[in-house]
Amino acid sequence: NAGVTQTPKFQVLKTGQSMTLQCAQDMNHNSMYWYRQDPGMGLRLIYYSASEGTTDKGEVPNGYNVSRLNKREFSLRLESAAPSQTSVYFCASWGTGYGYTFGSGTRLTVV
Amino acid sequence: GESVGLHLPTLSVQEGDNSIINCAYSNSASDYFIWYKQESGKGPQFIIDIRSNMDKRQGQRVTVLLNKTVKHLSLQIAATQPGDSAVYFCAEKASGYQKVTFGTGTKLQVIP
Repeated sequence: NAGVTQTPKFQVLKTGQSMTLQCAQDMNHNSMYWYRQDPGMGLRLIYYSASEGTTDKGEVPNGYNVSRLNKREFSLRLESAAPSQTSVYFCASWGTGYGYTFGSGTRLTVV
Repeated sequence: GESVGLHLPTLSVQEGDNSIINCAYSNSASDYFIWYKQESGKGPQFIIDIRSNMDKRQGQRVTVLLNKTVKHLSLQIAATQPGDSAVYFCAEKASGYQKVTFGTGTKLQVIP
């Protein structure tokens, strides 16, 4: 099925550990995004990539880095995880006339 | 967007009744608006969108109304069903900008 695929679905990290969240889309969209969602709050933009080869900061970029590996893939890296980064992370791509297509999310707990 | 903390506004509706979910947006330059549905444990899903040159758009059982004068958006769900229980988010976007701003969401509970 066409869409956005995220891995892993669940992850537990210790404070200070690093990890990369993977995201791939097969809809040939130019723009890709990483959001975090905390309980009772809306979606907050971490980073986005308007096209292959470009990335820009969103509202809450501190503690994260991203890589737009190619048109399909956009990864999010936590270099030194902190408990404040416990959240649900969503990758999305943007298509004209469709708005966002979201992945199913990664539930990250930092202990 | 602003945070409403841990507690989402909740709308409780009897099965079969119509639901109306409201959203106020902030940017007068926004010209594209979207409603998303998020079920528990899943990512948000596109429901319906509307551009600023329209004030109403209908889909299957859903209608979006846009009032640009007061910067207000609403989602109407006809004959609400248990499967409609979810959190609903509005989103706004200005042309030429990559960023989309999401509202904090409204939880819809359908009472069987």
